Amino acid sequence: DIQMTQSPSTLSASVGDTVTITCRASQSISTWLAWYQQKPGKAPKLLIYRASSLEIGVPSRFSGSGSGTDFTLIISSLQPDDFATYYCQQYNSYRTFGQGTKVEVK
Amino acid sequence: QLVQSGAEVKKPGASVKVSCKGSGYTFTSFGITWVRQAPGQGLEWMGWISARNGDTNFAQKLQGRVTMTTDTSTTTAYMELRSLRSDDTAVYYCARDAIVAAPTAFYGMDVWGQGTTVTVSS
Repeated sequence: DIQMTQSPSTLSASVGDTVTITCRASQSISTWLAWYQQKPGKAPKLLIYRASSLEIGVPSRFSGSGSGTDFTLIISSLQPDDFATYYCQQYNSYRTFGQGTKVEVK
Repeated sequence: QLVQSGAEVKKPGASVKVSCKGSGYTFTSFGITWVRQAPGQGLEWMGWISARNGDTNFAQKLQGRVTMTTDTSTTTAYMELRSLRSDDTAVYYCARDAIVAAPTAFYGMDVWGQGTTVTVSS
């Protein structure tokens, strides 16, 4: 099974900050990676697929990059609505989620 | 949208069957993935089913305990989990997925159900 490791587990930031979340796969997954945002008590929301393709309707301050085993989600100019938990997910072989990164108010 | 069945409370050793009704899209042009989230924990992928032909893939740790089916006449997907244990207590989500397992067909889990809380307790 492919394992996904995110870092950090928790990130403290302020509105306006640029936030970077990393995700590492235990083996190469090409660009078969998606990112999701989840708020408490809600279902996850798709942000990015194929490592860097922005889902329709997602603000352009979200961007993704990477290939192989190392991936990054960047949130530019963090907004109040962005405080949430973020998950990466590989789909090279079945599906696996990372353990999540909580973005909290500093 | 995807609309799931209501909350369930089960005893250890019992089974639970959760439904997920799709609407507003061609049900047989997509698959359905099931994801669960234990209290305070992250997302765990459980398995996938193609609504076109019933092909399935399951997470290794759940093999033998989980069944996924679809009823195309009612555009509903079902997930049954057997031999329930206390650590199966979680919110169970269905999400729209690719029609085939190949990664080239996947564009993200873009539509999600509202979640079904399953509590396993004696």
